[in-house]
Amino acid sequence: DAKTTQPNSMESNEEEPVHLPCNHSTISGTDYIHWYRQLPSQGPEYVIHGLTSNVNNRMASLAIAEDRKSSTLILHRATLRDAAVYYCILNRYGNKLVFGAGTILRVKS
Amino acid sequence: NAGVTQTPKFQVLKTGQSMTLQCAQDMNHEYMSWYRQDPGMGLRLIHYSVGAGITDQGEVPNGYNVSRSTTEDFPLRLLSAAPSQTSVYFCASSLNRDPYEQYFGPGTRLTVT
Repeated sequence: DAKTTQPNSMESNEEEPVHLPCNHSTISGTDYIHWYRQLPSQGPEYVIHGLTSNVNNRMASLAIAEDRKSSTLILHRATLRDAAVYYCILNRYGNKLVFGAGTILRVKS
Repeated sequence: NAGVTQTPKFQVLKTGQSMTLQCAQDMNHEYMSWYRQDPGMGLRLIHYSVGAGITDQGEVPNGYNVSRSTTEDFPLRLLSAAPSQTSVYFCASSLNRDPYEQYFGPGTRLTVT
């Protein structure tokens, strides 16, 4: 699977939007972009996934660059409950996931 | 709908002991997998199964055995525990036709002394 690069950590204020970047310059045409998050002492939780077009769901939005070499997870209004490690993962099928270190998101009240 | 359940939540073993970590799901998911997470690191895939009777190795399978006799259950066996297997273990499941949303269990924290 192609490699992703994410910032080690980010900080946000509560109720403000958060943009979490992910670079994946070696992405292949069949790789989906997946985002999972892991709250403290819990298992990972699916957030969103996409292939080429931008995607929205109840949790977040995923903005994918036209060349697919980068993407951004957007949390529209951060809450304290969104403080977690966010993982950007490339995978063709979505099941055999390879997790990197992710981005630690801190939310300030 | 309980989702993915794992037992026990915590376990301490001595080196050389064996044990089985239990994982069950009630969503009729064909695909199930086991990951381990070491401190400060991402998850690594141990074994996976695409359906009852079918299992395969992931990235770090050594020291672990699995079997899948039913759709609901996917136990992970440690044959002879070693300190290097101290970790948090997560089980996950999904539909084969929609593998993009994996459901994870709450984890089992295992310490091997």
